[in-house]
Amino acid sequence: KAGVTQTPRYLIKTRGQQVTLSCSPISGHRSVSWYQQTPGQGLQFLFEYFSETQRNKGNFPGRFSGRQFSNSRSEMNVSTLELGDSALYLCASSLGTISGTDTQYFGPGTRLTVL
Amino acid sequence: KNEVEQSPQNLTAQEGEFITINCSYSVGISALHWLQQHPGGGIVSLFMLSSGKKKHGRLIATINIQEKHSSLHITASHPRDSAVYICAVYNTNAGKSTFGDGTTLTVKP
Repeated sequence: KAGVTQTPRYLIKTRGQQVTLSCSPISGHRSVSWYQQTPGQGLQFLFEYFSETQRNKGNFPGRFSGRQFSNSRSEMNVSTLELGDSALYLCASSLGTISGTDTQYFGPGTRLTVL
Repeated sequence: KNEVEQSPQNLTAQEGEFITINCSYSVGISALHWLQQHPGGGIVSLFMLSSGKKKHGRLIATINIQEKHSSLHITASHPRDSAVYICAVYNTNAGKSTFGDGTTLTVKP
């Protein structure tokens, strides 16, 4: 079974631009969660999508958004980029049991640098 | 105070030593996960615990729900165990995972 894939792997943008990151989950997984990892804040939960609906959301501004397609692939978008958005963005897929007891399978991440 | 506290922050061991990493949390949870992150970023889920103890190879994870504490043990540590180990708790009420700051383990040959 293919693992979780994320594209692109590396991205350089300038302040004020917007960016779209993509995540393809493991076949059969219906839940995709997104995380931001920075040296200062560690790993932080952005949002979770299940069956094309946002099921949970972390404490990030509205500039961070996402969506999920009918094939469970997910995208996240960050608008009006700020220097502080430079981070490793990880997605993880799982079967989607609502209580959070599923094993999550992480993608390799997209390293975003904002100049 | 963070919702999830890990200790120690850094740990250096000699090959073969027994390793313990601790995680304490302050919120109600439905599950606790131990994750391993190698240089380069890739994260692997090691264990999911909701009670008791689990073992996989040289790794053992335990959780005490009443004391809100979990431990990850590595027996007969090896240099390939060098990684960052992260504790994550799933907060039922908030519907999200909260992560510890991670423990950086270095095992020297």
